[in-house]
Amino acid sequence: AQSVTQPDIHITVSEGASLELRCNYSYGATPYLFWYVQSPGQGLQLLLKYFSGDTLVQGIKGFEAEFKRSQSSFNLRKPSVHWSDAAEYFCAVHLTGATNKLIFGTGTLLAVQP
Amino acid sequence: DVKVTQSSRYLVKRTGEKVFLECVQDMDHENMFWYRQDPGLGLRLIYFSYDVKMKEKGDIPEGYSVSREKKERFSLILESASTNQTSMYLCASSQDSSYNSPLHFGNGTRLTVT
Repeated sequence: AQSVTQPDIHITVSEGASLELRCNYSYGATPYLFWYVQSPGQGLQLLLKYFSGDTLVQGIKGFEAEFKRSQSSFNLRKPSVHWSDAAEYFCAVHLTGATNKLIFGTGTLLAVQP
Repeated sequence: DVKVTQSSRYLVKRTGEKVFLECVQDMDHENMFWYRQDPGLGLRLIYFSYDVKMKEKGDIPEGYSVSREKKERFSLILESASTNQTSMYLCASSQDSSYNSPLHFGNGTRLTVT
């Protein structure tokens, strides 16, 4: 069955430090992968997406993600975290052939220390 | 910018009550979705609709129904609310069913059933 795993429930980093949030997927076909961010009290906002081509994709707010087919991973990175990046981050995979149905991971809550 | 508006930010209802959660989008999107968000479980799809008066069950439809009489409005109905339906409910819309059509989320309705 298709699934998305985010192994880290909660991560704390210091402001200015680098960040990597992990995402692994289980899906037989070519995956269409997404990262969403949910700031406190808000809905989800699309950070970036991967469909094909260059395996390193750039998103908004200085985030990037790298697709590694051999590892079934799509990890999110940022070189220098800002306090405003404190939020919950969700990885998701789109099921091809379905009506734009996304399977979400369980989320990683990011805390940023001053 | 796409705007997805959920009519209530917070709701408190009693067990057995009939509850309506309303969602309106202003971009003439074809698809609309209702998700439920719980800690440690991520987002789970309850129902979605790809056209007026059309609906499909998601992963956890039990205890819920939906209504889409107009393209811009998608309602989630709890016929007889129960305490295990206490949760955050997120509405989303997308232009169409392609993987290249990102979801746009509302800010959520936090429902408490007592």
